[in-house]
Amino acid sequence: DGGITQSPKYLFRKEGQNVTLSCEQNLNHDAMYWYRQDPGQGLRLIYYSQIVNDFQKGDIAEGYSVSREKKESFPLTVTSAQKNPTAFYLCASSFRRKGTQYFGPGTRLTVL
Amino acid sequence: GQQLNQSPQSMFIQEGEDVSMNCTSSSIFNTWLWYKQDPGEGPVLLIALYKAGELTSNGRLTAQFGITRKDSFLNISASIPSDVGIYFCAGPPLNRDDKIIFGKGTRLHILP
Repeated sequence: DGGITQSPKYLFRKEGQNVTLSCEQNLNHDAMYWYRQDPGQGLRLIYYSQIVNDFQKGDIAEGYSVSREKKESFPLTVTSAQKNPTAFYLCASSFRRKGTQYFGPGTRLTVL
Repeated sequence: GQQLNQSPQSMFIQEGEDVSMNCTSSSIFNTWLWYKQDPGEGPVLLIALYKAGELTSNGRLTAQFGITRKDSFLNISASIPSDVGIYFCAGPPLNRDDKIIFGKGTRLHILP
């Protein structure tokens, strides 16, 4: 069954701790993306990667880091430098240079 | 940069009514995408449009790629309770095929 998985669905962390959100896809997509969504808001691009071992900053990259060591995986680390990390995080993937992106179910991060 | 403006921001309708929403841009898009997001879930692709003037249906949903290439419309006929959610338009910016931009969404509410 092809798709994008994000885990966990809900994540709680104490302020000042780094936390890593998982995103895996088995769609053989080249490109992967991370978005942040705040209540009642649209999607804001954090980081994206078109190929393995390469990634670019999106519109709100500060306080976040990513890696792309495998085609299937694009983990996002929310660092303690992110001032307001509580949000809903969405991962997406697509074939390279094709606009249509497919989304995972999201991870809701709450920092206490 | 390019932006997508969605209207209305929210809609309150009775079950059974038809719904119409639109998305406009000050610049040309070559692809229009419509997504629906259920509460607490990731967006799901509803319809993709690739050619100016194109009219595409998916069940009770119909979307059109505007002739000017600067707008797109989504219609839902005979709304049902499961149509509740946020509808996003999206597309790759002109001369950029490595990412897409999203409108802020139209939130659909169905009154009992």
